[in-house]
Amino acid sequence: DAGVIQSPRHEVTEMGQEVTLRCKPISGHNSLFWYRQTMMRGLELLIYFNNNVPIDDSGMPEDRFSAKMPNASFSTLKIQPSEPRDSAVYFCASSPTGDTQYFGPGTRLTVL
Amino acid sequence: GEDVEQSLFLSVREGDSSVINCTYTDSSSTYLYWYKQEPGAGLQLLTYIFSNMDMKQDQRLTVLLNKKDKHLSLRIADTQTGDSAIYFCAEKDYGQNFVFGPGTRLSVLP
Repeated sequence: DAGVIQSPRHEVTEMGQEVTLRCKPISGHNSLFWYRQTMMRGLELLIYFNNNVPIDDSGMPEDRFSAKMPNASFSTLKIQPSEPRDSAVYFCASSPTGDTQYFGPGTRLTVL
Repeated sequence: GEDVEQSLFLSVREGDSSVINCTYTDSSSTYLYWYKQEPGAGLQLLTYIFSNMDMKQDQRLTVLLNKKDKHLSLRIADTQTGDSAIYFCAEKDYGQNFVFGPGTRLSVLP
């Protein structure tokens, strides 16, 4: 299995621009998680889905962030408009049962 | 809310054993995990233990759980330079709320 796939691996954008991060979970996994990692705050859970349905989005920092999972093999995390404080590494993880998580390689986002 | 604490740094000599410690506050934890993160990579699930177990061994890795003290440790035997990484402790409750510690940066000295 290819594991969790994320794209792009690196994204550099200017403040105010829209950013879309993409994730393909491991086939057969029914839970998907989006995390943000920064030096200051460590690893933060943003949102997770079960069977494509958002279950808990309490970690989404503000209305500029939105996430979708239109089908079992694809999810997006969108930031509009982006701000410099959004600069971080964003990880997607998937889980077959909800008890173990498998992480993707991450997208390093830099907002200038 | 729930909290997971770890020391931030650990240095050991190649060939020695490493012990990384973690404490957590959630008494309803069901699973506890150890992840490894190498530079520029995602978190790799190393091992996990169910909360009703005391110990789990997997090759060079030994996980010890003291549920009374809410203390988890990861022992790496015969530590190698390839073990240098950040190690994250995490716990999960009965839902799907995963809480991660800040990570322990393990440096293996030749």
